Amino acid sequence: AQSVSQHNHHVILSEAASLELGCNYSYGGTVNLFWYVQYPGQHLQLLLKYFSGDPLVKGIKGFEAEFIKSKFSFNLRKPSVQWSDTAEYFCAVNVPRSQGNLIFGKGTKLSVKP
Amino acid sequence: DAGVIQSPRHEVTEMGQEVTLRCKPISGHDYLFWYRQTMMRGLELLIYFNNNVPIDDSGMPEDRFSAKMPNASFSTLKIQPSEPRDSAVYFCASMGRTQYFGPGTRLTVL
Repeated sequence: AQSVSQHNHHVILSEAASLELGCNYSYGGTVNLFWYVQYPGQHLQLLLKYFSGDPLVKGIKGFEAEFIKSKFSFNLRKPSVQWSDTAEYFCAVNVPRSQGNLIFGKGTKLSVKP
Repeated sequence: DAGVIQSPRHEVTEMGQEVTLRCKPISGHDYLFWYRQTMMRGLELLIYFNNNVPIDDSGMPEDRFSAKMPNASFSTLKIQPSEPRDSAVYFCASMGRTQYFGPGTRLTVL
C-alpha cells in the first residue's frame, strides 16, 4: 500500500529563514503529488501540485516543490518565510487512473516567529 | 465556481442526538470524500464516492456513521446516535484531477 512520510512533526523558524519540508512516498509507478496548507482554524487549501513535466513546481505564495523520482521525494521549499506562513502543511499522493483517494502524510506544523 | 459547500458550519448537539452533515461538491467532479480531523488523530478519511457510488468506507468508525450520495451534487454524513468522542471537524472534499476541500463542519457533541 502506498504511504507518505513527512519527516518533521513541528518546525520552528524565524522570519526570513529558508524553509524545506520533507516528503517521501512509497510507490514505484507514476504518481500525482500535492502539497496542501491548513492555516489555523481553516480548511486544507491546495498549495501546489505535480502531475507531469517540469519536476520543479511553483505554487502560490512563493512556495515551490521539487519532484525527485529517484528519491521518491517531493520536498516543499520557500526561500524566505513570513509570520503568515504559520500553518500545517500536508503532503499527499495519488496514483492516477487507480483508486481516487489521496494518501496524506501526517502533516508538519510550521511556526514562524516574528 | 463556489467551491465545495458544507453545511452547517458549526453544530452543537447533545449526546444521543442524530447529526446530519451536508456537502455539495464542485460541479463536474466525480469523486467525493468525507474526512474527520481531530487534534489527537489528525486527518482521517472516512469514506469516498466515485460517480455517487461508495468505493471505500473502511474509515467509517462504526455503524453509527453512515454516508449517502443520492446524486452528483449532494452528499450527507449522518451520525446516529452521536457521542462526545465524535466531536471533530468534518471536511468534505471533491475531486476531478485535484482534490478541493470544503470549509468543514465543526461538530461538538456535549
